[in-house]
Amino acid sequence: KAGVTQTPRYLIKTRGQQVTLSCSPISGHRSVSWYQQTPGQGLQFLFEYFSETQRNKGNFPGRFSGRQFSNSRSEMNVSTLELGDSALYLCASSHGLAGEFADTQYFGPGTRLTVL
Amino acid sequence: AQSVTQPDIHITVSEGASLELRCNYSYGATPYLFWYVQSPGQGLQLLLKYFSGDTLVQGIKGFEAEFKRSQSSFNLRKPSVHWSDAAEYFCAVWMDSSYKLIFGSGTRLLVRP
Repeated sequence: KAGVTQTPRYLIKTRGQQVTLSCSPISGHRSVSWYQQTPGQGLQFLFEYFSETQRNKGNFPGRFSGRQFSNSRSEMNVSTLELGDSALYLCASSHGLAGEFADTQYFGPGTRLTVL
Repeated sequence: AQSVTQPDIHITVSEGASLELRCNYSYGATPYLFWYVQSPGQGLQLLLKYFSGDTLVQGIKGFEAEFKRSQSSFNLRKPSVHWSDAAEYFCAVWMDSSYKLIFGSGTRLLVRP
């Protein structure tokens, strides 16, 4: 079974631009989560989508947004880029179950975004 | 507030030596715990997970972890480290009510030849 794929793997943008990152989950998974990884802040949760609905959002400004399509693929968008948005953006997919058994998230290789 | 603490930022061990990476969590309910490994420039790979039952869990690549509720710990161990184990290791707790993982700050493992 193919793993989580993310495109593009690397991006270079300038301040003020916007960017869209894409994530294709493992087949059969309905949940997609996004995390930002930086040396200073570590791994921080951005948002989670399940069946095209955002179920939770982390503490990020409104410039960060996302969506999920009917085939479970997800995109995240960052508008008006700032230097501090430079990071590795990781996507994770899972079945999206809650309750008795925790869900297991499987991560993609990430998109390295550099803002100049 | 829920949190995960990895007290060691860096650890250096000799190849063939044993390894223990520490993880402490703060979570009110039954914790669901994970260890992930990240090689340079890569995403996170799941090593092992604890949901319930046996407190000693086995993972991939010869790793194991022990859940100790009384100490709020979930330490990762390996009896004999290989040079290819050099990477960054993250402990995480699953927040069932908010569908997210909370990660520790990571421990970077260096392996001496």
